Amino acid sequence: GIQVEQSPPDLILQEGANSTLRCNFSDSVNNLQWFHQNPWGQLINLFYIPSGTKQNGRLSATTVATERYSLLYISSSQTTDSGVYFCAARFRGGSQGNLIFGKGTKLSVKP
Amino acid sequence: EPEVTQTPSHQVTQMGQEVILRCVPISNHLYFYWYRQILGQKVEFLVSFYNNEISEKSEIFDDQFSVERPDGSNFTLKIRSTKLEDSAMYFCASSEADTQYFGPGTRLTVL
Repeated sequence: GIQVEQSPPDLILQEGANSTLRCNFSDSVNNLQWFHQNPWGQLINLFYIPSGTKQNGRLSATTVATERYSLLYISSSQTTDSGVYFCAARFRGGSQGNLIFGKGTKLSVKP
Repeated sequence: EPEVTQTPSHQVTQMGQEVILRCVPISNHLYFYWYRQILGQKVEFLVSFYNNEISEKSEIFDDQFSVERPDGSNFTLKIRSTKLEDSAMYFCASSEADTQYFGPGTRLTVL
């Protein structure tokens, strides 16, 4: 079936380190978004990136649609980057709604 | 920057009671959604709403759930007779086109 898989499930970093989070999806997508869920449970929209590369400060994302994966890069990590990062996709042939979320990568940045 | 708002932030209710979760989507958005996240699990799609009707719903969205846009700004999710397993974070989202913007969530606790 249609799936969104994220890796790694858990990641522990020292402040200042860089990291790469991966999202694999099982079919062609119309929409792919990355979110950060902070410790209060809020889902913060990071990127809308069904293809290509985008950068926002220390964060950047790349989606290679033909190979069905997306990467989220975090550079010079800070303790405030801690939380769970979710990838979510809407698949071609799907209706307007129904973003399918991965299980997330839980990131802990240590001071 | 406009944002999706949700009230209340936390709702505690007794099993069997009805609850209404409220959302104010971003004003020029036409598509509205509800998702839920059981503690420690991934975010799951419940329902999407467009042009004053449900456009898609998941298996989770059974007869105890309903949605309504009672006026030009609010979007509500009603759970008619809450069960213990309805305890979760409920997120409202809205979109103008593809990018979905999420509210801060309502944490529902059913006792």
